[in-house]
Amino acid sequence: AQTVTQSQPEMSVQEAETVTLSCTYDTSENNYYLFWYKQPPSRQMILVIRQEAYKQQNATENRFSVNFQKAAKSFSLKISDSQLGDTAMYFCAFMGGSGGTSYGKLTFGQGTILTVHP
Amino acid sequence: NAGVMQNPRHLVRRRGQEARLRCSPMKGHSHVYWYRQLPEEGLKFMVYLQKENIIDESGMPKERFSAEFPKEGPSILRIQQVVRGDSAAYFCASSPGTENYNEQFFGPGTRLTVL
Repeated sequence: AQTVTQSQPEMSVQEAETVTLSCTYDTSENNYYLFWYKQPPSRQMILVIRQEAYKQQNATENRFSVNFQKAAKSFSLKISDSQLGDTAMYFCAFMGGSGGTSYGKLTFGQGTILTVHP
Repeated sequence: NAGVMQNPRHLVRRRGQEARLRCSPMKGHSHVYWYRQLPEEGLKFMVYLQKENIIDESGMPKERFSAEFPKEGPSILRIQQVVRGDSAAYFCASSPGTENYNEQFFGPGTRLTVL
């Protein structure tokens, strides 16, 4: 079974600064995807960024980037130039690829509450 | 293109009653997923459905819970004889069902409170 661990229950950062959220995972599958989701107070789940395990290049989406270390099974999220609107719960998630036992179902970490201070 | 819709957004039930949660996937999406989020926790997978077919129900409690996705109409998550421990936010997601990667788009959730 897959597991996803977020070891930081809460983080805070000053507006315009950079913050990194940690995530580790465990799996025996070779083909999989990793995600970071944002859940603001509205509770809507919003996809922030996605990484395919077979790609060595780290994914980037505007101010959001990941540091994907496949051998270490680590997948951290870096938020640059933090904005007040980034305040939310952030979830790391794993999904197996086609043909795997966990295909189609997301396994989430416990979440990290990020607060951006003005 | 409307997103994933869930209703009701809030549902209050007394212990022993039935709860029915509805999910209408995005247009063109044939795969539906249900997740449960207990207070202060991450989302937990419950069930993965295609039209008229359950693909994976490994996360569903063995009793009182059932899900369907009929040929016509929304997907339904049904909880019979609710207990206080069923109080949670229930999220539905849908995907187009492509081969390699099923990006899941989430609805706003239904918050169930059991009195």
